[in-house]
This record gives sequence, structure tokens and C-alpha cells, in this order.
Amino acid sequence: QVQLVESGGGLVKPGGSLRLSCAASGFTFGDFYMTWIRQAPGKGLEWISHISTSGSTTDYADSVKGRFTISRDNAKNSLYLYMNSLRAEDTAVYYCARRKYTFGRAFDYWGQGALVAVSS
Amino acid sequence: ELVLTQSPGILSLSPGERATLSCRASHTVSNTYVAWYQHKSGQAPRLLIYTTSSRATGIPDRFSGSGSGTDFTLTISRLEPEDFAVYYCQQYGQQFGGHPAFGPGTKVEIK
Repeated sequence: QVQLVESGGGLVKPGGSLRLSCAASGFTFGDFYMTWIRQAPGKGLEWISHISTSGSTTDYADSVKGRFTISRDNAKNSLYLYMNSLRAEDTAVYYCARRKYTFGRAFDYWGQGALVAVSS
Repeated sequence: ELVLTQSPGILSLSPGERATLSCRASHTVSNTYVAWYQHKSGQAPRLLIYTTSSRATGIPDRFSGSGSGTDFTLTISRLEPEDFAVYYCQQYGQQFGGHPAFGPGTKVEIK
């Protein structure tokens, strides 16, 4: 079955960096756009980035553009999010999700999430 | 920028009752790109409905979606105990650079 498992979350100081990983299994990873979505404490869901099947196309929400970088390794069935210049407002649970084109680009599978806390 | 508004913010109902959740978009959107998710604390969000009215795999038929233009609705015909959760609408954002937008969520709580 489809599984997405995030890792790499933790506590980091403002201005610091962190790399999240998402290990995918149960499907042909290279056939799907992948996405990072986050949820800050007490807030709703926020799309922050996606990456095309080959990795050649990426896009970011304005809130993270220039600070976060998404990448993927199809040989390793893995998705990554490099987060730099972290701010308190980046504190959130970060989910990786699979985007399904034929579902109107809805996110049909999600991981359990990785908690990132930015605090001094 | 596409903004999605959901109402009510909190819906207090009893098991067996009907739940009607509303999602309004700031601009006309295509039915193709409207989805609904269920989210329980500590769990992964779950896709319920895609393309406005299609149920995702394994979703019971008590969940249904409808709407067009700027107004979309998720209906739960008879609430089961496991349905108490937060529900988010989402739109792909085709005409906004392909940046998906989520509504703020409706919490369905036990009355």
C-alpha cells in the first residue's frame, strides 16, 4: 500500500537550517508530482511547495520562496525539503503528500507529518 | 490570490444528524479542481472528495460533494462517531499560478 514517511523534524534556532525527508513506498514514485504542506499550531493547512516528476520544475509559496528548496531522488523514492533562514512562523507540522493529476490534482496520500519547531 | 472561506467555523451536531459544510471561493473556480479533506489531530489528512463530487477510494457514500462557480458543499448524510474532525476544502489554483489554496477548515464536533 502507499506509504509516505517524513523524518528530519526537530527543534532549531531562528536563522538555522533543517532538512526534511519523505520516504515513499507502495507506488511508482517517479510518476507523481510531490508536495509539501504544513500546519502551524492552531492554524489550517498551507501548501508550501511542489516538484514535478523529474524534479525539473519546482514552485513555492511566497512565504518560503528563497529560503526553502524542494528536491527529489527518484532512485531512492525520496522527497526532500531544505529549510534555511528559519523563522518562528515556520514552526509547524510538515506533511509530504502525493498529488494525483487525474483527481484534479488533489492530494490523495499524505504522510503522518514531521514537527519543526523554531525557537531560541 | 485565491481565497477560500469555510462556514461555519464550528458545527456542533449529534451522531446520526446531517452535516452541511460550505466553502466559498473568492473567484470562480473550475469544478475539476475542488477537493475536501478530513483531518483528525495527530493523523494524516485524508482525501474525501475530488473534482467537487467524486469520492476517494474507501470513502463511505454518506460523504458527498457538490457545487459550482464559487460555492461548494460537503455533506455528511448521517454523522458517525468517527466523522467528528476538521474538514478542509481545497482548490488547485489553476488560474493563480497553480498554487493550491486551502480553506481555514470547519470543525465538526459532538454536541
